[in-house]
Formats: sequence, structure tokens, C-alpha cells
Amino acid sequence: SAVISQKPSRDICQRGTSLTIQCQVDSQVTMMFWYRQQPGQSLTLIATANQGSEATYESGFVIDKFPISRPNLTFSTLTVSNMSPEDSSIYLCSVWEREGGADTQYFGPGTRLTVL
Amino acid sequence: RKEVEQDPGPFNVPEGATVAFNCTYSNSASQSFFWYRQDCRKEPKLLMSVYSSGNEDGRFTAQLNRASQYISLLIRDSKLSDSATYLCVVNSGNTPLVFGKGTRLSVIA
Repeated sequence: SAVISQKPSRDICQRGTSLTIQCQVDSQVTMMFWYRQQPGQSLTLIATANQGSEATYESGFVIDKFPISRPNLTFSTLTVSNMSPEDSSIYLCSVWEREGGADTQYFGPGTRLTVL
Repeated sequence: RKEVEQDPGPFNVPEGATVAFNCTYSNSASQSFFWYRQDCRKEPKLLMSVYSSGNEDGRFTAQLNRASQYISLLIRDSKLSDSATYLCVVNSGNTPLVFGKGTRLSVIA
């Protein structure tokens, strides 16, 4: 399976600032996604990161707040802009991979963000 | 109605017990089904896929009932290391997975 790394693993930020999270995959993947998991909640999809074009955002998420880059098939960034305490969450990068004829989704280790 | 619903638990069981989790999904067009495991402060990891014929992996058995739109996970001979949150996951096509909120399991010595 693909090996996914994220940086930073955690951060504590001040309200009104922005943080960029990096996701690196050890192989080329077609589909990359960004999720958020708030305390005690399940995973919520923020957007699909499209290589060479604008990301596709889910309902409730907008590009101005969560700009995403995907310059190639192994790397993506998610920026959390103008942060507020409500943005405190774990942010997870995820990829699709086809193994044995089945599509499987794998996750990075996550970035734990606390906004004061 | 939520797309994927699970009993949040927690399920507190003694070592060696058998425990079963159920999950229902609302989209009848769903095609693929999975159980993921998430340890505290860790990312979700694939535990097993769920097939119509049912499948078994060691102490874990997964079943799918398409007519009733529910999925189950059975864990036999529970170990302390089985303590985690188990996420029911559904795929309705070439789109990202839809996750349930998870069922928390605590196996007690």
C-alpha cells in the first residue's frame, strides 16, 4: 500500500493566522483527498485534490477558506486560512489505490491542529 | 437519515468475549463496503472489505445484507489489543468513501 506522510504532525496556532499542511505519497496516485475529523466525530470530506486543476470541494467547504494545491501525482497541500477555534481538528490526507482489483483508500497519519 | 449509521457504543467486553457491531446504510446503489479500525489519536486503517458472500479473516467475520442494507462485523475471542473505534464505510461509486461515526470497543482484562 501507498505510504503517506504529513507535515506538520501537530500545531498550535493563533486565531486569524493560516497553516499549510503538506501531504507526500511514495507513489503516484490518481485520487487524493483531504478530510477533517473533529473531536468525537467521524471523518468529513473537505475536497478532492485534482492534479493540475482546481480542487473539488464538498458542501460547506470553500476554496477561500481551504485552498488546496496539487502540483503533481505525489504531493498536495491544504491551507486552513484565517483560523478560528472551530477549525481545531485533525486533518487527514487520503489516497485511492487499486489492489488486487479492488479500490482501497488509505490515510496519512493526520495533522492535529489546535487554534487558540 | 444519515448515509451510514452505527451504534456509537462504547461496547465494554471482557477478554475472550464475542462482540458484534452492526451498521446500516441508506444508499441502495452502494457498491463497496469496508470496516476500518481507528486507534486513539491515529489515522483510520483498513481492517477488511465486506463481500456479499461474507468473509472471514482470523477472528474477524464481516457480513453484508444488501436487501436490508446492513453490514456486520463479528469479533471472536476478543483481545485487549482489539480496543479501538470501528468505522463502517461505504462506497457508492467512483467517489470518496462515506464513513460512519464509529463504534467504540473496549476490551477489559
